[in-house]
Amino acid sequence: AQRVTQPEKLLSVFKGAPVELKCNYSYSGSPELFWYVQYSRQRLQLLLRHISRESIKGFTADLNKGETSFHLKKPFAQEEDSAMYYCALSESQAGTALIFGKGTTLSVSS
Amino acid sequence: KAGVTQTPRYLIKTRGQQVTLSCSPISGHRSVSWYQQTPGQGLQFLFEYFSETQRNKGNFPGRFSGRQFSNSRSEMNVSTLELGDSALYLCASVQGGLYNEQFFGPGTRLTVL
Repeated sequence: AQRVTQPEKLLSVFKGAPVELKCNYSYSGSPELFWYVQYSRQRLQLLLRHISRESIKGFTADLNKGETSFHLKKPFAQEEDSAMYYCALSESQAGTALIFGKGTTLSVSS
Repeated sequence: KAGVTQTPRYLIKTRGQQVTLSCSPISGHRSVSWYQQTPGQGLQFLFEYFSETQRNKGNFPGRFSGRQFSNSRSEMNVSTLELGDSALYLCASVQGGLYNEQFFGPGTRLTVL
């Protein structure tokens, strides 16, 4: 069965420290993978998608098919990065019907 | 453009009742997806509608149903409510094409007593 695993419920780092939010997936085909973020009192929104290979707000994520991972990284964390981060897999090329991980809360303190 | 809107924002029902939630997508978006969010199970996909047809379906019982109208607005219905149906129900819309960003609404908080 398709599954997305985010092993950490909470990740606490200091401002300026590197951040890595882990995501592993189980999927029989070629996955479409995304990171969504929810800041306090805001709606869930797309952070980045693997297909576009982009860097958003300093975050990057590389799809490793051998390790079935899609970890989210940022070299220097900022306090405004504090939020809930969800890794998601789509079975549809439209990017819909998302299978979400349980989410990781990132807390960045000064 | 106005964002995705959901009504009502809060709802309290009792076991055995049924409920209908509404979602208005961003203008021009033809796909609407529904998700259930609970503390225990997290975000789970319910179903997706595209041009008034159900395109994908998650693993939920038949008590959960939905539909989409010609103006792309969507409704989901839950019949014979159970305590475990208490959740935040999120709606998301997508313009179309490949690997698109889903735009989420604020959610409807359903409490079943």
